[in-house]
Amino acid sequence: DTGVSQNPRHKITKRGQNVTFRCDPISEHNRLYWYRQTLGQGPEFLTYFQNEAQLEKSRLLSDRFSAERPKGSFSTLEIQRTEQGDSAMYLCASSLRETNPYNEQFFGPGTRLTVL
Amino acid sequence: AQTVTQSQPEMSVQEAETVTLSCTYDTSESDYYLFWYKQPPSRQMILVIRQEAYKQQNATENRFSVNFQKAAKSFSLKISDSQLGDAAMYFCAYRSSVYNQGGKLIFGQGTELSVKP
Repeated sequence: DTGVSQNPRHKITKRGQNVTFRCDPISEHNRLYWYRQTLGQGPEFLTYFQNEAQLEKSRLLSDRFSAERPKGSFSTLEIQRTEQGDSAMYLCASSLRETNPYNEQFFGPGTRLTVL
Repeated sequence: AQTVTQSQPEMSVQEAETVTLSCTYDTSESDYYLFWYKQPPSRQMILVIRQEAYKQQNATENRFSVNFQKAAKSFSLKISDSQLGDAAMYFCAYRSSVYNQGGKLIFGQGTELSVKP
């Protein structure tokens, strides 16, 4: 499978618990993006990595959120002390900047988080 | 800051007919990229068509075409010969061409398209 994969696909947690999501990008892609999509809305940018460096974080990414991309491969997004407002679909996308001026992003299937 | 607006939350089209989805955006940049993404129910988002702002010719991909009006900041999607498989949420997205913007996409709210047999 050469597409972007995300795990888990669904996560139900209780308020106050920590959760971690994983994204595996297309293997040669050097850019990796995280977006959040709430019901009936378009995705909103959270953060992005170029290789292992996290180059931009949205103001949506509160201090309870942290993302990593060790060795420039897979990425994890952790949410600490989850709140009901964190319930959303978390999308990961990857791209290869150098050969693609459009920076076309390929999306994963997303992780749907429900906070009870 | 750039914004993208899709004013049609829902649209419906008869199979084999043509439908146009609207998108407007706001930016002070002169060069940028515009995209239409399709998100089928419970499936991942895929790119439908893309346009670079400095290219005046409207992009076309098979049954999908755009009407790009740079001065009006409008970027509509036309789907010809609609098929049942076209039913999905469609998102218009903007990307800055400025390198330090990192290539993040700014999405509209989406238009849910239903196709009637």
